[in-house]
Amino acid sequence: KAGVTQTPRYLIKTRGQQVTLSCSPISGHRSVSWYQQTPGQGLQFLFEYFSETQRNKGNFPGRFSGRQFSNSRSEMNVSTLELGDSALYLCASSPADGSGNTIYFGEGSWLTVV
Amino acid sequence: AQSVTQLGSHVSVSEGALVLLRCNYSSSVPPYLFWYVQYPNQGLQLLLKYTSAATLVKGINGFEAEFKKSETSFHLTKPSAHMSDAAEYFCAVSETRGYQKVTFGIGTKLQVIP
Repeated sequence: KAGVTQTPRYLIKTRGQQVTLSCSPISGHRSVSWYQQTPGQGLQFLFEYFSETQRNKGNFPGRFSGRQFSNSRSEMNVSTLELGDSALYLCASSPADGSGNTIYFGEGSWLTVV
Repeated sequence: AQSVTQLGSHVSVSEGALVLLRCNYSSSVPPYLFWYVQYPNQGLQLLLKYTSAATLVKGINGFEAEFKKSETSFHLTKPSAHMSDAAEYFCAVSETRGYQKVTFGIGTKLQVIP
């Protein structure tokens, strides 16, 4: 079974631009969540989607948004990029809609903002 | 609200020595608890998880963790460290109700000295 796939793996953007990151969950998984990882802040929860609905949102500004498609694939978008948005963005999927289910991570998208 | 505290952002052990990585959690309801490992330039991989079935949980690569409710702890141990264990380890908590939201600790980098 293929794991969680994230694209692109690496990208460089300029301040003020926007970026879209893509995530394909493990087949059959309906919950997709996104995390931002930085050396100073560690792993911070961005949002979680289930059946195309955002169910949970972390404490990030409105520049960070996401969506989920009917095939459970998900995208996140960051508009008006700032230097501080440079981070590893991790997508994770899980099979069901209850708490405690293991989440499986992709390898992440490395975003550098210059 | 749930939270996780990992004591020691960096831990060094000699090859063959005991590995002990500390994690304390806070949760208003019985939690699910996880340990993940992250190797350089990779996503997070599940080592083990506690879901109330047994207080001593065995994971992959010889790691285990013990849930101690009275101490609100879930420390990770391995009897004998290998060079390949050098990585960053994350403790995480998820509440047993509500939607999927996993809160991670800041992480502990394990260095194994030959």
